[in-house]
Amino acid sequence: DSGVTQTPKHLITATGQRVTLRCSPRSGDLSVYWYQQSLDQGLQFLIQYYNGEERAKGNILERFSAQQFPDLHSELNLSSLELGDSALYFCASSVGGSLGLQETQYFGPGTRLLVL
Amino acid sequence: ILNVEQSPQSLHVQEGDSTNFTCSFPSSNFYALHWYRWETAKSPEALFVMTLNGDEKKKGRISATLNTKEGYSYLYIKGSQPEDSATYLCAFCPGGSEKLVFGKGTKLTVNP
Repeated sequence: DSGVTQTPKHLITATGQRVTLRCSPRSGDLSVYWYQQSLDQGLQFLIQYYNGEERAKGNILERFSAQQFPDLHSELNLSSLELGDSALYFCASSVGGSLGLQETQYFGPGTRLLVL
Repeated sequence: ILNVEQSPQSLHVQEGDSTNFTCSFPSSNFYALHWYRWETAKSPEALFVMTLNGDEKKKGRISATLNTKEGYSYLYIKGSQPEDSATYLCAFCPGGSEKLVFGKGTKLTVNP
């Protein structure tokens, strides 16, 4: 158990819908990262928050958005869902911000999203 | 576009065999390299974070080396056990970037 929690574990929804994925980082970690794992793709970095502020952006679609709240939990909002958005979405946390990439990242169990 | 290549894609070994696999990354502008172990139905678990050229890290029977000048890292597993079966991921972070670029992994199966 990494100490990072993600809910829900599984989500089935229809195209065009909107969903919210939730992540709670390890106690003491200020950075939260979101990743997408699609079939045949490596883990793709989406976005990072550090202490409530957006720190870095990866290949995140405009239909997706995220935020980190004062209690440091984070939510990833996916809207106007398409079939191709079906994937495993991971959240990870680390202690630091820019130095976080020289630190260990701890991954949550993931949310498996299926868009029908 | 940054390319992180891992080879081989998959590997089958017998229990007790030692094995190794490679992660290749751009040799310019290096910041950090991460190795993760990802068991089926679980989440990736950090093995090593490597930052210095020539670094060698060890955790039990697993060790890793880093060559930033030529852009590669090796992961070694000594005396493989069935519980070592997993996908091993490497992730490269270039300097000036706040993001990890992951390879597609090497899937290791250790047969008893």
